[in-house]
Amino acid sequence: NAGVTQTPKFQVLKTGQSMTLQCAQDMNHEYMSWYRQDPGMGLRLIHYSVGAGITDQGEVPNGYNVSRSTTEDFPLRLLSAAPSQTSVYFCASSSKGWANEKLFFGSGTQLSVL
Amino acid sequence: RKEVEQDPGPFNVPEGATVAFNCTYSNSASQSFFWYRQDCRKEPKLLMSVYSSGNEDGRFTAQLNRASQYISLLIRDSKLSDSATYLCVVKAAGGTSYGKLTFGQGTILTVHP
Repeated sequence: NAGVTQTPKFQVLKTGQSMTLQCAQDMNHEYMSWYRQDPGMGLRLIHYSVGAGITDQGEVPNGYNVSRSTTEDFPLRLLSAAPSQTSVYFCASSSKGWANEKLFFGSGTQLSVL
Repeated sequence: RKEVEQDPGPFNVPEGATVAFNCTYSNSASQSFFWYRQDCRKEPKLLMSVYSSGNEDGRFTAQLNRASQYISLLIRDSKLSDSATYLCVVKAAGGTSYGKLTFGQGTILTVHP
């Protein structure tokens, strides 16, 4: 099993550009989520989904969109990148049995916005 | 006040030492508690859940003190491979099973020879 696959690993954007971070899991997990990790801040929840067709906002959703058309995929879209979105992004999934507690994370995306 | 607070460290200890981390949380209604481990430039991974009565997993012992609203992680006989950042994670009580998880900023541990 590949687990949670996240791409790209690194990305540099200019202010105002848009892009999509891809996330796919092959564990048939209902719950998927996106976090960002900044120094001294801990991981903060951006958006999450409890199943295909269902998404909801987390703690820091502004500037990001998500969709969940399939169980496997949960892409994160940056609409108009800003320097404040420079961060490390992690996608995570978990099974219904664990709710969202035992998270399986992707390997992360280092994003720099210039 | 942050919802979940950890001493960021770093903690530098020799191999074989015992080291303990504390984590405090502000929401008294929090229902579940966890420790995650994150290696440098890697993704976090669940280390262990924290149960009300305390629990052990090999060299690792986790404890919960609801009255004082803190959890702790004790590592005995430290190994070089224990060097990592340890994240305290708290789940708030909620109306659904997908309650909000709040991560602490992490405590850095370096074990040296």
